[in-house]
Amino acid sequence: RKEVEQDPGPFNVPEGATVAFNCTYSNSASQSFFWYRQDCRKEPKLLMSVYSSGNEDGRFTAQLNRASQYISLLIRDSKLSDSATYLCVVTNTGANNLFFGTGTRLTVIP
Amino acid sequence: SAVISQKPSRDICQRGTSLTIQCQVDSQVTMMFWYRQQPGQSLTLIATANQGSEATYESGFVIDKFPISRPNLTFSTLTVSNMSPEDSSIYLCSVEGTGAYEQYFGPGTRLTVT
Repeated sequence: RKEVEQDPGPFNVPEGATVAFNCTYSNSASQSFFWYRQDCRKEPKLLMSVYSSGNEDGRFTAQLNRASQYISLLIRDSKLSDSATYLCVVTNTGANNLFFGTGTRLTVIP
Repeated sequence: SAVISQKPSRDICQRGTSLTIQCQVDSQVTMMFWYRQQPGQSLTLIATANQGSEATYESGFVIDKFPISRPNLTFSTLTVSNMSPEDSSIYLCSVEGTGAYEQYFGPGTRLTVT
């Protein structure tokens, strides 16, 4: 079983729409959680960390559900510039090894 | 966040040869990491490189195939040895970020082995 699983999409949404991605992880001892964004032919860039209490950064909201072992990312008022692949990332206790999901591709349509 | 550069940005190599990829950071960092991203796949950690010690390799990766150097706190190299077409991939270095377990990535090296 993969450490991290994501729906690969693609998600095609109109500008202004709200879109949500989910991600599940297999190791209940996982320590830290992140969403990264990867544009085509570019390196992954940290979008936001995911805290147990949930966190919000502008139009982006991340939530963690430890009991069900899933992480979500909500994007409100989608912009064309949000088009990218969103990577769910998990680390295990005491380790620096990041486990990446295969990513969910989002295309925002004018 | 740190500014990270990699050289070369891309290369096309013949099977059986070796390629050394360089990673340079604009600030001193304790830990540097090397990842591989094969076409259509997620990133996979190859090894962790700390200055002054041997790199720690993940399962499925060995030093003879992917030797790593870490001569100082701002620089590391990854060599892909005796290449085969299966080594065609993007290789990325990363460094630890300011938050717990955060990492920042270099632009990657796109390798094609023919």
